[in-house]
Amino acid sequence: DSGVTQTPKHLITATGQRVTLRCSPRSGDLSVYWYQQSLDQGLQFLIQYYNGEERAKGNILERFSAQQFPDLHSELNLSSLELGDSALYFCASSFGLAGTDTQYFGPGTRLTVL
Amino acid sequence: AQSVTQLGSHVSVSEGALVLLRCNYSSSVPPYLFWYVQYPNQGLQLLLKYTSAATLVKGINGFEAEFKKSETSFHLTKPSAHMSDAAEYFCAVSDHSSYGKLTFGQGTILTVHP
Repeated sequence: DSGVTQTPKHLITATGQRVTLRCSPRSGDLSVYWYQQSLDQGLQFLIQYYNGEERAKGNILERFSAQQFPDLHSELNLSSLELGDSALYFCASSFGLAGTDTQYFGPGTRLTVL
Repeated sequence: AQSVTQLGSHVSVSEGALVLLRCNYSSSVPPYLFWYVQYPNQGLQLLLKYTSAATLVKGINGFEAEFKKSETSFHLTKPSAHMSDAAEYFCAVSDHSSYGKLTFGQGTILTVHP
């Protein structure tokens, strides 16, 4: 158990819908990262927050957005869903921003868009 | 830009045999390198990381990796495979300017035969 929790574990929805994925980081960690894992794209970095502020952005679609709240939990919002958004979405947390910091991964949310 | 190439999407070994999973990186600045393992239906777990200290890095579960700058490689090895090592392994890179963002390779699925 990494100490990072993600809910829900599974999500099945229809095209055009909007969903929210939730992540609670390890106690004491200030950074939260979101990654998408799909068969065709592999593991890709989406976005990172540190202590409530966005710090780095990767291959995140404009239909996707995220935020980190004062209690440090984070939410990833996916809207106007398409079939291609079906994937495993991981949240990871680390103490700081350094490239050397270990990221601890949650169990993931499996999103299926029908 | 950083990138990681894992040679061999599938590697099969016999129990007790040497495990060698290959990773080559491309980075314009000194990299930090990581190996993560993913068991079925689970998140990623850190095996080991290189952060510019010792070039030979020992990790959990008997794994180790050697950073070779001249070959831009960070191959993962284990002297004797165990059935429980069957999983997918990911090599990843970050650097001091990336705020910890990880760029992953495509992954190598390790199968261990009795």
